[in-house]
Amino acid sequence: DVKVTQSSRYLVKRTGEKVFLECVQDMDHENMFWYRQDPGLGLRLIYFSYDVKMKEKGDIPEGYSVSREKKERFSLILESASTNQTSMYLCASRAGLLNTEAFFGQGTRLTVV
Amino acid sequence: AQSVTQPDIHITVSEGASLELRCNYSYGATPYLFWYVQSPGQGLQLLLKYFSGDTLVQGIKGFEAEFKRSQSSFNLRKPSVHWSDAAEYFCAVSRSNYQLIWGAGTKLIIKP
Repeated sequence: DVKVTQSSRYLVKRTGEKVFLECVQDMDHENMFWYRQDPGLGLRLIYFSYDVKMKEKGDIPEGYSVSREKKERFSLILESASTNQTSMYLCASRAGLLNTEAFFGQGTRLTVV
Repeated sequence: AQSVTQPDIHITVSEGASLELRCNYSYGATPYLFWYVQSPGQGLQLLLKYFSGDTLVQGIKGFEAEFKRSQSSFNLRKPSVHWSDAAEYFCAVSRSNYQLIWGAGTKLIIKP
């Protein structure tokens, strides 16, 4: 079974904390994604990585950074968490073929208090 | 601009009734199209995909979708819904750089 694993299902952090969300895939996929999901807004792309150490900003990168030091792992970093970053975060991976689907992790529900 | 539109935010259907969820896309090249389902508190699961060939594609859980190039549509259908189909459904199209463009989602509510 293919798998994308996010390190936490639920997180509660304080305003100003540095937060790390980890994502690991076991499919040797080139492409990995971090999305934020809020009610009524669908999935919004935060960052995208197409190779180790390579990244591209998505639609809403402000307040976030990412790290991809190994092919299987893609980390999302909130440098200084704020309450408006309370959301569901979804990680996905995808092979380098246009006719293949993206595989998703279970999501991390982050609450910043 | 490339975009995906799901015009219905919510749809309510009686159990056993048929279902059609609408998806329209705007994309210049040959589209690679996907439908995903998200159960509450979960990640997204692929229902079906289209990239070439027969324009009627079959997916999991009894779903199917029809690609209509002339209408730029990729509507999802199911002949008879079950209470377990209550979820949010997302349509997406692939960009050439492997990013996916997502619709805003349609929440399906099943009436007993």
